[in-house]
Amino acid sequence: DSGVTQTPKHLITATGQRVTLRCSPRSGDLSVYWYQQSLDQGLQFLIQYYNGEERAKGNILERFSAQQFPDLHSELNLSSLELGDSALYFCASSIRPGQGRGNTIYFGEGSWLTVV
Amino acid sequence: AQSVTQPDIHITVSEGASLELRCNYSYGATPYLFWYVQSPGQGLQLLLKYFSGDTLVQGIKGFEAEFKRSQSSFNLRKPSVHWSDAAEYFCAVGGGADGLTFGKGTHLIIQP
Repeated sequence: DSGVTQTPKHLITATGQRVTLRCSPRSGDLSVYWYQQSLDQGLQFLIQYYNGEERAKGNILERFSAQQFPDLHSELNLSSLELGDSALYFCASSIRPGQGRGNTIYFGEGSWLTVV
Repeated sequence: AQSVTQPDIHITVSEGASLELRCNYSYGATPYLFWYVQSPGQGLQLLLKYFSGDTLVQGIKGFEAEFKRSQSSFNLRKPSVHWSDAAEYFCAVGGGADGLTFGKGTHLIIQP
């Protein structure tokens, strides 16, 4: 158990709909990352927040957005869903941003999203 | 831009045999390198990491990896695999605030 909690574990929704994925980082971690894992694209970095502020942005679609709240939990919002958005969405957390010494990134178990 | 190549999509190893999973990276500065393992239906678990110093890094579950700057490689090894090692293995590189870049993964199959 990494200490990163993601809900829901599984979600099935229809095209055009909107969903919200939730992540609670490990206790004490200020940085939250979102990743998408799909068969064709592999593991892709979407976005990172540090202490409530957006820190870095990767291959995140405009239909997707995220935020980190004062209690440090984070939500990833996916809207106007398409079949191709079906994937495993990981949240990860670390104490600090960046990949410096001692700053290990811990992953949750992911949220499986199926768009039908 | 940083990138990671894992040349082997699938590898089959007999239980008790040694294992080496290959990883090559491209990064402009000193890289931070990681190996993660993903068991079916599970999240990503960190096996080991390299930041600097000794180029041979020891990790959990009996895994080790060697950083070779001249070859831009960070191969993962284990002297004797167990059936429970069957999983997907990901190499990743990161050096800044823009998250980790992962390879496509290597699927490890263990034969009895």
